[in-house]
Amino acid sequence: DQQVKQNSPSLSVQEGRISILNCDYTNSMFDYFLWYKKYPAEGPTFLISISSIKDKNEDGRFTVFLNKSAKHLSLHIVPSQPGDSAVYFCAAKRSDSWGKLQFGAGTQVVVTP
Amino acid sequence: GAGVSQSPSNKVTEKGKDVELRCDPISGHTALYWYRQSLGQGLEFLIYFQGNSAPDKSGLPSDRFSAERTGGSVSTLTIQRTQQEDSAVYLCASSLGADGSYNEQFFGPGTRLTVL
Repeated sequence: DQQVKQNSPSLSVQEGRISILNCDYTNSMFDYFLWYKKYPAEGPTFLISISSIKDKNEDGRFTVFLNKSAKHLSLHIVPSQPGDSAVYFCAAKRSDSWGKLQFGAGTQVVVTP
Repeated sequence: GAGVSQSPSNKVTEKGKDVELRCDPISGHTALYWYRQSLGQGLEFLIYFQGNSAPDKSGLPSDRFSAERTGGSVSTLTIQRTQQEDSAVYLCASSLGADGSYNEQFFGPGTRLTVL
């Protein structure tokens, strides 16, 4: 039962443009959402997060938007840089869980010059 | 400061053999997690440790999978009688203790397990 879904397996974007990654979830018990970035042969690294009581969180070039009614979140990267080329995972935590995360399948982002 | 380390980085084994995967968490992190990533899939939670106890083993796929943690530090994930469907990247993460709020999980580089 895939409760966190990333329906776009890949995304290609030109350097300097905006990258928009989408994530949908089904479980209304999720209260905390995260984005992780992963390079090949490395473990995922935390990028940005958002609590369910907020609808936006911004950190530098990265902004996460949460639409609870639609059970949808998105990650915006502006401007995209070549070093942003990686796999991005959306993850969610239930309100009754201390730290167990449920992950989407990931979106491969390629930033072209 | 060292991050989370895992060994071996790669493991190739024959079907039916047992394997042990090791995780060294960040010093001072009392919480430790095991996940696995099968080809084309997201990370799948396996088990969580707080100290040496495992309050949540709900993600272990079968009784062939077990894990232990000793001294509140190193953890070993053991897979007995490996099957081809066990082939995946096994990732370990650690965080400060679970205190009701979320603490960032820091991941190791993973162990790529291939069962022939």
